[in-house]
Amino acid sequence: GENVEQHPSTLSVQEGDSAVIKCTYSDSASNYFPWYKQELGKRPQLIIDIRSNVGEKKDQRIAVTLNKTAKHFSLHITETQPEDSAVYFCAARTNTGGFKTIFGAGTRLFVKA
Amino acid sequence: EAGVAQSPRYKIIEKRQSVAFWCNPISGHATLYWYQQILGQGPKLLIQFQNNGVVDDSQLPKDRFSAERLKGVDSTLKIQPAKLEDSAVYLCASSLDWTVGETQYFGPGTRLLVL
Repeated sequence: GENVEQHPSTLSVQEGDSAVIKCTYSDSASNYFPWYKQELGKRPQLIIDIRSNVGEKKDQRIAVTLNKTAKHFSLHITETQPEDSAVYFCAARTNTGGFKTIFGAGTRLFVKA
Repeated sequence: EAGVAQSPRYKIIEKRQSVAFWCNPISGHATLYWYQQILGQGPKLLIQFQNNGVVDDSQLPKDRFSAERLKGVDSTLKIQPAKLEDSAVYLCASSLDWTVGETQYFGPGTRLLVL
């Protein structure tokens, strides 16, 4: 079935450095790729998304890139701040058998002050 | 705009008992999702409704889980009987429409502990 793999599971960076989280998906029919941030004990919140007709999207310090040929997409956070510390989930929405969103296992990001 | 509401926020039950969760989506959102999030994992879709019809329930353990959205607004998710492995956070989410990749907005979740 459809699968989304996310790496790394844990990432620790120094404040001000960049952080990169990578995901791969299995269903080539996937066409929508959201990223969610989940702080401890809180609900997941969308931080950025990208559709399959676009290769890159940026919003201030956050950017997402998509490589449809390789079926992978990445989240880039620049100039990290302590408040960026959270769990980040990538997801892929597949068209196969209905529009279902499959989430990755998550990356726990620690930003050290 | 009011967000997705869920209740209860926490529930502790013993195995083999029954439990029900309630979700009220954002007004006007046609699509409603129930996810199970086990500690340390990403959300896993259990069931997806479009108005009051089921779009996908392929990962719903139908021998013990059931869900309904009778009037196309509120939804309830029930577990009967509960097992230890059902301990998780149950997240409800809603979106404007499932066919165009609209953003999913999550509720605060119900944290279930089965003893």
